[in-house]
Amino acid sequence: TQLLEQSPQFLSIQEGENLTVYCNSSSVFSSLQWYRQEPGEGPVLLVTVVTGGEVKKLKRLTFQFGDARKDSSLHITAAQPGDTGLYLCAGLYAGGTSYGKLTFGQGTILTVHP
Amino acid sequence: ETGVTQTPRHLVMGMTNKKSLKCEQHLGHNAMYWYKQSAKKPLELMFVYNFKEQTENNSVPSRFSPECPNSSHLFLHLHTLQPEDSALYLCASSIAATEYEQYFGPGTRLTVT
Repeated sequence: TQLLEQSPQFLSIQEGENLTVYCNSSSVFSSLQWYRQEPGEGPVLLVTVVTGGEVKKLKRLTFQFGDARKDSSLHITAAQPGDTGLYLCAGLYAGGTSYGKLTFGQGTILTVHP
Repeated sequence: ETGVTQTPRHLVMGMTNKKSLKCEQHLGHNAMYWYKQSAKKPLELMFVYNFKEQTENNSVPSRFSPECPNSSHLFLHLHTLQPEDSALYLCASSIAATEYEQYFGPGTRLTVT
């Protein structure tokens, strides 16, 4: 079973601080996505990264895919209370039977205090 | 309605009840998925349907029975559930099962008493 390790599990910060969430695996991804989930709702897709070394920006969010496509990070600059939520990474593994089978990390619960 | 909708949003059922969860997608997608989300566990894929055909059953107990009458609708029929089945059940869809971008519904919060 391939595992996708996400860290930290919990993050509690003050408004205006920066933070980084990590997603790591020992196996190579063919693609990786980041989702954000609010309480009582389903995950909402933020970004998909496909190419090793790829960097994508979404306003104050910066997503990076590792050169070897085994890891990814999400960096938030100047966090705001509206960023509070569960952040999930999910990957499709290269070379395996991945017929629509996303593997999810355990998630990072982010709380941004005003 | 847009996106992926799920009904009911909340469900409480006894272990001897039979109930069904419904999912509908308005995105023109051809693949639909059921996931289970429990506290302190990663999202678990349960079933995948691609063009109405079941392509994945991730060792799910038979007390969960999926049905996909067409590419826009997906059901999860529940019977004789256990308390440990209490969780958030999420439906998702994508253009096809090989497409990696999945779009999720809001989920059904199920409590088994």
